[in-house]
Amino acid sequence: DQQVKQNSPSLSVQEGRISILNCDYTNSMFDYFLWYKKYPAEGPTFLISISSIKDKNEDGRFTVFLNKSAKHLSLHIVPSQPGDSAVYFCAASRGGSQGNLIFGKGTKLSVKP
Amino acid sequence: GAGVSQSPRYKVAKRGQDVALRCDPISGHVSLFWYQQALGQGPEFLTYFQNEAQLDKSGLPSDRFFAERPEGSVSTLKIQRTQQEDSAVYLCASSLRRGRGGRNSPLHFGNGTRLTVT
Repeated sequence: DQQVKQNSPSLSVQEGRISILNCDYTNSMFDYFLWYKKYPAEGPTFLISISSIKDKNEDGRFTVFLNKSAKHLSLHIVPSQPGDSAVYFCAASRGGSQGNLIFGKGTKLSVKP
Repeated sequence: GAGVSQSPRYKVAKRGQDVALRCDPISGHVSLFWYQQALGQGPEFLTYFQNEAQLDKSGLPSDRFFAERPEGSVSTLKIQRTQQEDSAVYLCASSLRRGRGGRNSPLHFGNGTRLTVT
């Protein structure tokens, strides 16, 4: 049973526009959420994170929004650039001894010039 | 600076063969993780080390999988009697501090070892 779900396998966006990547989770014990970016043949790279005590975290062009009641988070990229084209993984964790990172299946973002 | 280094980058093994995958974490990083990523899936947790202590091996799929980090730096993931379902990318990650969920310090991933079992 998937605890972290990214229901869109792919997304295509025009350069300069907003990219919105979505993620849903089922485990209410998750209290920390992260986004990773992955280029082909490379390992995932940490992008941005958010704690469950917040509902928004911003870092430059990247903003993550968390809606705890809906168990939903999203990553906004504004403005999108061709170099943002990659696979984006949502991940979640809980505190304590079972708090390993649980990843979604990823969404492949293509930003077209 | 140097990131997490994994070798070999690619490994082809015949079914039944034993393999050993190596991970050199970032120097000084306390925590080390192994993940398995099947095609079209996200990384799935295998095991976690804090220094040389293996604190969690709950994700290892069978007793054919074994990991070690004897001196608290380099780690090796060994798979005995490989099966076709073991074909995947094996990712190693390290982080500066204790903790497994990325909240204390982010996980830095290597580029992975792609294992193909024929």
